[in-house]
Amino acid sequence: GAVVSQHPSWVICKSGTSVKIECRSLDFQATTMFWYRQFPKQSLMLMATSNEGSKATYEQGVEKDKFLINHASLTLSTLTVTSAHPEDSSFYICSAREVGGSEKLFFGSGTQLSVL
Amino acid sequence: AQTVTQSQPEMSVQEAETVTLSCTYDTSESDYYLFWYKQPPSRQMILVIRQEAYKQQNATENRFSVNFQKAAKSFSLKISDSQLGDAAMYFCAYRRTGNQFYFGTGTSLTVIP
Repeated sequence: GAVVSQHPSWVICKSGTSVKIECRSLDFQATTMFWYRQFPKQSLMLMATSNEGSKATYEQGVEKDKFLINHASLTLSTLTVTSAHPEDSSFYICSAREVGGSEKLFFGSGTQLSVL
Repeated sequence: AQTVTQSQPEMSVQEAETVTLSCTYDTSESDYYLFWYKQPPSRQMILVIRQEAYKQQNATENRFSVNFQKAAKSFSLKISDSQLGDAAMYFCAYRRTGNQFYFGTGTSLTVIP
């Protein structure tokens, strides 16, 4: 199946700093990528839909100025958590749907963010 | 808004036995897709099986099969001959003809040796 690479797999940062998470589709093109947040033992909550070459669409309640999403190419989307605070600590997962492919959603391996 | 409900937070099954995980969803759409994803302790989401709403035939993938009841908006997953490696969180997901996927709250499956 298609591979989505997410990096880093875990990151620890100080409160107030910014953290960038990368999501790459390695063997397919993805016009749309999705960013999810998952708290322990809970479901995936969609944060935003990232469209190549245009602004991301954020779900209600997600601060667009805090969670900056850039989708500059068909294979790369980035999520930057700006001025991170301890409450931003969570597991973040990206996913991508192949252009012209099946309706399947392929997931990255996730990033565990811990803000001290 | 679309909702996906998994009413079983936890399930257990004896190794080699069969278990069924339940999922219901709410939608006014007629064209959509349904999925079951598995999330093992590694937290990597893995696609288990997919069903197109316009297909009446239930999808099967080796030991995994679904019971898709469109009128009842039900989409259960049956795991046959359960193996220890099947232990994981299982998420039911709905995707409409747009882009968004909606996930259920998950069912934690334990496989008892």
